[in-house]
Amino acid sequence: AQSVTQLGSHVSVSEGALVLLRCNYSSSVPPYLFWYVQYPNQGLQLLLKYTSAATLVKGINGFEAEFKKSETSFHLTKPSAHMSDAAEYFCAVSDASSASKIIFGSGTRLSIRP
Amino acid sequence: DTGVSQNPRHKITKRGQNVTFRCDPISEHNRLYWYRQTLGQGPEFLTYFQNEAQLEKSRLLSDRFSAERPKGSFSTLEIQRTEQGDSAMYLCASSLYRGSADTQYFGPGTRLTVL
Repeated sequence: AQSVTQLGSHVSVSEGALVLLRCNYSSSVPPYLFWYVQYPNQGLQLLLKYTSAATLVKGINGFEAEFKKSETSFHLTKPSAHMSDAAEYFCAVSDASSASKIIFGSGTRLSIRP
Repeated sequence: DTGVSQNPRHKITKRGQNVTFRCDPISEHNRLYWYRQTLGQGPEFLTYFQNEAQLEKSRLLSDRFSAERPKGSFSTLEIQRTEQGDSAMYLCASSLYRGSADTQYFGPGTRLTVL
């Protein structure tokens, strides 16, 4: 069975500071890993995905994530936070062999302080 | 590419009533997924279709829930005899599956409130 654990349901950083959102996964098969962002009253938007190519994945809006198999982690980072980054972020995993349903974490709400 | 659309965006109903939601995927996408998201949680998988075929259903999808994709294009999700526990955001996603690593594109969701 696959699962995702997001550490910290709420993260608050100052504008311009480093953003680090933590995600650990569990999978008995090679995983695909994703980060999605959800703005209020909107659907989910894909930030980036890992599909067994490069372990450092660059996404939209300056975000990136690094796949670390030894740590079973896929943390999301951004060097400098903008006010517009305030949203809910979801880490997710799917089975690389079937590439079907996605298992989501419970989410981390990111707040940006002026 | 107009994106995934869902209708209605909001639905308020009384307990015991039936409701139906519609999802229009991105044109040419062969896979369509339904998820449910409750407050403070991540989306939970309900079911998915490849073309007309329903390939997987979650145990979350009780007998009161049924989904269809009759012509391999739009899909409907019906909930019969709604209960207050059905109150949630129902999300639809679509993808173009070519054998691996399909990217799911999500619609804005339908928010259901059962009184």
